[in-house]
Amino acid sequence: DAKTTQPTSMDCAEGRAANLPCNHSTISGNEYVYWYRQIHSQGPQYIIHGLKNNETNEMASLIITEDRKSSTLILPHATLRDTAVYYCIVRVTANDYKLSFGAGTTVTVRA
Amino acid sequence: KAGVTQTPRYLIKTRGQQVTLSCSPISGHRSVSWYQQTPGQGLQFLFEYFSETQRNKGNFPGRFSGRQFSNSRSEMNVSTLELGDSALYLCASSFLGLGANTEAFFGQGTRLTVV
Repeated sequence: DAKTTQPTSMDCAEGRAANLPCNHSTISGNEYVYWYRQIHSQGPQYIIHGLKNNETNEMASLIITEDRKSSTLILPHATLRDTAVYYCIVRVTANDYKLSFGAGTTVTVRA
Repeated sequence: KAGVTQTPRYLIKTRGQQVTLSCSPISGHRSVSWYQQTPGQGLQFLFEYFSETQRNKGNFPGRFSGRQFSNSRSEMNVSTLELGDSALYLCASSFLGLGANTEAFFGQGTRLTVV
């Protein structure tokens, strides 16, 4: 699987949009970009994933650049409950049946 | 529907003992995978089971083992516990296993402390 690079930490004001960048410059054509988050001492929670088109669901939006070398997860109106570690993961179609987590970005939403 | 259930939530064991952790996947899900999370190593893949067969295994010593039952419930066992085995053990389930376009649902984890 392609490696990802994320900032170690970032702060966000409550009610504002949080834009979380992820660099995956070695991504190949059959790799999906996934985002999970982990609130302190809980299991990771799936947020969203995409291949090359932008995606939106009730939790977030995923913007993937045209060359697919980077992406941005957007939390449109951050709340205190969005404080968590956010993981960007790229996965190849080969069946390895696992997620390879990096260090992620620690996002702190401040009132 | 009910989520992924892991039991127990907390466990304290002594070095040298063994421990068994349990995971009940979401109803209808046939794939169960296990992860270890420590402050130093982060989240690391242990193994994945589907229809009672292990399909992939992470880079852990043989003291770590698992199995899956016909009802898809899974257990993992750690023998001869070491202090370094203290961690949050997470279980994830998915319908057929993590292909490229599927999501995993995680349980709350079992916090194991080895003293």
